[in-house]
Amino acid sequence: DTEVTQTPKHLVMGMTNKKSLKCEQHMGHRAMYWYKQKAKKPPELMFVYSYEKLSINESVPSRFSPECPNSSLLNLHLHALQPEDSALYLCASSQIIPNSNQPQHFGDGTRLSIL
Amino acid sequence: GDSVTQMEGPVTLSEEAFLTINCTYTATGYPSLFWYVQYPGEGLQLLLKATKADDKGSNKGFEATYRKETTSFHLEKGSVQVSDSAVYFCALTLSGNTGKLIFGQGTTLQVKP
Repeated sequence: DTEVTQTPKHLVMGMTNKKSLKCEQHMGHRAMYWYKQKAKKPPELMFVYSYEKLSINESVPSRFSPECPNSSLLNLHLHALQPEDSALYLCASSQIIPNSNQPQHFGDGTRLSIL
Repeated sequence: GDSVTQMEGPVTLSEEAFLTINCTYTATGYPSLFWYVQYPGEGLQLLLKATKADDKGSNKGFEATYRKETTSFHLEKGSVQVSDSAVYFCALTLSGNTGKLIFGQGTTLQVKP
């Protein structure tokens, strides 16, 4: 059983819709991550939060807006997405960086389809 | 720059065969190394890790040894099962405080009965 929970599991939305992806962890981790994964490719890092503050934005378009309301929750707000944004969106958490030897724990992802 | 290279897949094996998936890396400093597995329709699961040279990570019959001299972290299993069919990702993180995982391209393993 995964310890990082993502909802919804599947999401279909039009290009003019606004929706949010949610991620929750109760492992006491203070670093949380959003990744985008296309089919047959490795995950690509989008955002990193450290102690609820955004520490890395990998030049992600502004139509993706992350939010970390508390140490257990991470949201990704979506607006005016494009068909090429269809992908599996993965959330992960880890004990706080800079202990880079701490592994990241992943959720099962939200499969997003843009019509 | 820092990178991870995995052997091209797919790898197709018969049940009970020996598995090796090659992984080599290029990194400045002293990386920590990981193997993740992704089953169909799921997220990534940590399979094993090694944080310094000569460390051996092991889990569920899989093992990998951190070889600094050859910059490698090859994944091995003595006897694969159908249930091991999945995509395997080798990855590293660097000392420092970015928290960024650098992944290889992934290797698809298919095990046939």
